[in-house]
Amino acid sequence: SQQGEEDPQALSIQEGENATMNCSYKTSINNLQWYRQNSGRGLVHLILIRSNEREKHSGRLRVTLDTSKKSSSLLITASRAADTASYFCATDPGGYQKVTFGTGTKLQVIP
Amino acid sequence: GAGVSQSPRYKVAKRGQDVALRCDPISGHVSLFWYQQALGQGPEFLTYFQNEAQLDKSGLPSDRFFAERPEGSVSTLKIQRTQQEDSAVYLCASSRPGLETGELFFGEGSRLTVL
Repeated sequence: SQQGEEDPQALSIQEGENATMNCSYKTSINNLQWYRQNSGRGLVHLILIRSNEREKHSGRLRVTLDTSKKSSSLLITASRAADTASYFCATDPGGYQKVTFGTGTKLQVIP
Repeated sequence: GAGVSQSPRYKVAKRGQDVALRCDPISGHVSLFWYQQALGQGPEFLTYFQNEAQLDKSGLPSDRFFAERPEGSVSTLKIQRTQQEDSAVYLCASSRPGLETGELFFGEGSRLTVL
């Protein structure tokens, strides 16, 4: 079963616009991560935010985490056609426990 | 190696055949995960190794699925008597040592099609 649920399921925007994806999860976490997957490829790690952090930036990416609401958001600013991919959140409970993934948001950036 | 390597990349099996999927993690990575990804879905956890110890196999769908990592490096996921519902991409990931799993490094996956 999936730990996280993302919305929207699909998002289509024009190049240059910002894209926001949300993730809700169910159990307590040590950290939350975001991954990107191009069609037919493996997942690539984008950013990790720990449970005691509220916001983190990496280049054009901004991640927020609200542990009281068990939710996170990923913002991609000034989107490019190359950002077209599926994006997944993943939760790590810490210790020697499994990392579980959300259902994903499929992002299409139109040139 | 430079990254996580999985083989074969594509496998077509007839229903009832046994298949073996191999994962070669990044050298020195202690943790190794197997995930199953159906088309249009997120990766679903199958099993997890810390070195050669299989710490969690709660995601294996049935006793037809078996995974091993005998020397704490290469891992093999075996599916016996394949069924059509086993058709999916099987992803392997590894991570560095540490109490926190941290970043997972994924292979390109093995796409299994059962006819």
